[in-house]
Amino acid sequence: DGGITQSPKYLFRKEGQNVTLSCEQNLNHDAMYWYRQDPGQGLRLIYYSQIVNDFQKGDIAEGYSVSREKKESFPLTVTSAQKNPTAFYLCASVRDTSNQPQHFGDGTRLSIL
Amino acid sequence: SQKIEQNSEALNIQEGKTATLTCNYTNYSPAYLQWYRQDPGRGPVFLLLIRENEKEKRKERLKVTFDTTLKQSLFHITASQPADSATYLCARVNNAGNMLTFGGGTRLMVKP
Repeated sequence: DGGITQSPKYLFRKEGQNVTLSCEQNLNHDAMYWYRQDPGQGLRLIYYSQIVNDFQKGDIAEGYSVSREKKESFPLTVTSAQKNPTAFYLCASVRDTSNQPQHFGDGTRLSIL
Repeated sequence: SQKIEQNSEALNIQEGKTATLTCNYTNYSPAYLQWYRQDPGRGPVFLLLIRENEKEKRKERLKVTFDTTLKQSLFHITASQPADSATYLCARVNNAGNMLTFGGGTRLMVKP
């Protein structure tokens, strides 16, 4: 079955450490997105990419970095500059950008040790 | 900025009743609104999309309305079931059609 796979499900970060969250899709979708969700809140856009080797900042990009070297993969790095990284991170993809619904993975929950 | 707001308080209803969730937006009307369902610890799942020129959209027990005068969308679940208990998110699509802005979601609890 096609879908989006996020790993790991749970991740713990130590002070001063960078961590990378994986997002892989086999839907042949062009665009991919990273969102952050805090308890009881909606999704906030971190970064998005519409084509390989190109990405744009979302509303809350500070302290995060991404790459899009392959169409299927859009990893997110949470850097030590992100002072409040504890959250639920969601990756999504969409076939193209003409108002199509987004398909989401099941998220990675990041916590601070 | 384009804001989108949902009632943050949980909605508790009895099984069999109709649940109605509200989504309000500011500034100009988006060309599209999307509704998603999210279960605890899972990613959102797309339910319905409604265009600005559509007053109403239906899918099985679900109905969405779009009122550009009130700047509001209503999401209805008729004959609600405990399995409908989840958080429901609305999202507006930007003009380019490539980004969503999500509301905070409303948690629905359907009691048997």
